[in-house]
Amino acid sequence: EIVLTQSPGTLSLSPGERATLSCRASQSVSSSYLAWYQQKPGQAPRLLIYGASNRATGIPDRFSGSGSGTDFTLTISRLEPEDFAVYYCQQYGDFLTFGGGTRVEIK
Amino acid sequence: QVQLQESGPGLVKPSETLSLTCTVSGGSISTYYWSWIRQPPGRGLEWIGYIYHSGSTNYNPSLKSRVTISVDTSKNQFSLKLSSVTAADTAVYYCARQVVGFYYYMDVWGKGTTVTVSS
Repeated sequence: EIVLTQSPGTLSLSPGERATLSCRASQSVSSSYLAWYQQKPGQAPRLLIYGASNRATGIPDRFSGSGSGTDFTLTISRLEPEDFAVYYCQQYGDFLTFGGGTRVEIK
Repeated sequence: QVQLQESGPGLVKPSETLSLTCTVSGGSISTYYWSWIRQPPGRGLEWIGYIYHSGSTNYNPSLKSRVTISVDTSKNQFSLKLSSVTAADTAVYYCARQVVGFYYYMDVWGKGTTVTVSS
């Protein structure tokens, strides 16, 4: 089983700041199989990034994804008030797994 | 656009079988794969499994012995059965459209339904 470890667990930032979220895999993951989701309280997750770096339909360009192998990053260039949420990475190896999530909270 | 809606009992007794249905509207079920995902209270996401319209499935190994996912193309629905439930199966259960192939991701989600396991 490929384990995804997300860090930090919580990120405290102010609107307008840059957020950098990390997702590290226990073994190499195909970039095509790496996705990022945003989840707000009481809502279903929303797809942000697929294939490590492709923005999903309707996702603002302040969201970007990068990385390969075992290290992947989600960057939010300038935080908007609606971006404060929990973010999950996801991979597919033998089966699909999620990271434990990073909470981005208002400082 | 495609929308998904989960339905089923919100309360299930321990040792019984949890049964949920996801209804797909605004598109045909016979085009994509379809997944179930769950989220225990205050915790992260866990993928349960997915199904193709042909009936082929792929399950999370940790749940495989208790899970059955089926599809009814005539009703544009797919379903989840989880047997021998315990309190640990209490969660919000989501259905989602699953892209499989060159990419793997879930791009359309239902709103989720809360299932509590309790006597």
